Amino acid sequence: GQNIDQPTEMTATEGAIVQINCTYQTSGFNGLFWYQQHAGEAPTFLSYNVLDGLEEKGRFSSFLSRSKGYSYLLLKELQMKDSASYLCAVRDSNQAGTALIFGKGTTLSVSS
Amino acid sequence: GAVVSQHPSWVICKSGTSVKIECRSLDFQATTMFWYRQFPKQSLMLMATSNEGSKATYEQGVEKDKFLINHASLTLSTLTVTSAHPEDSSFYICSASPLRDLPSTDTQYFGPGTRLTVL
Repeated sequence: GQNIDQPTEMTATEGAIVQINCTYQTSGFNGLFWYQQHAGEAPTFLSYNVLDGLEEKGRFSSFLSRSKGYSYLLLKELQMKDSASYLCAVRDSNQAGTALIFGKGTTLSVSS
Repeated sequence: GAVVSQHPSWVICKSGTSVKIECRSLDFQATTMFWYRQFPKQSLMLMATSNEGSKATYEQGVEKDKFLINHASLTLSTLTVTSAHPEDSSFYICSASPLRDLPSTDTQYFGPGTRLTVL
């Protein structure tokens, strides 16, 4: 079956660095996505990995290891506005029109 | 670019009534649209995949006669919750995939969601 695991909750302080892990077991693999979702709003795209390694985009970086079925999202210089839910999602096929499979999300609380 | 809108953004209805939610891709054509449902503090659960001009593909456990999906054009898909009940209260989110792959890093664009409350 399809399974995506990530921690339910994390807390951190402003200015700190936090790493949110995601492990996946899917029938196929054609990319891993990270989305940010604030309460009551739709997810917004953060990053995408399809090859092993680290993708850096400003304060956010995402890492992928396909052999381990593992990814992490790294958030640096945390700000209060980073308090949100972070969703790990996998696309399990390269066929057009393939939906993403989402994990349950990690709720990050940033305090001052 | 790549904006998806949903209407209405929130709706309150009585039990037994039907509610229609629209999902539009505003600046691109979408061959495929997806409908997700999200309960409080839960992740997005795929309900169905909607392809323009053909029948939707429903996920296991989703009643196709209760959640009617129509994808009549390349920019519009609708989800109708028929005979809604309180347990259908949820956050419904659509996403759309462009006709031609935009940068492959983000091939699904999400709408802002519709909050449905059934009394």
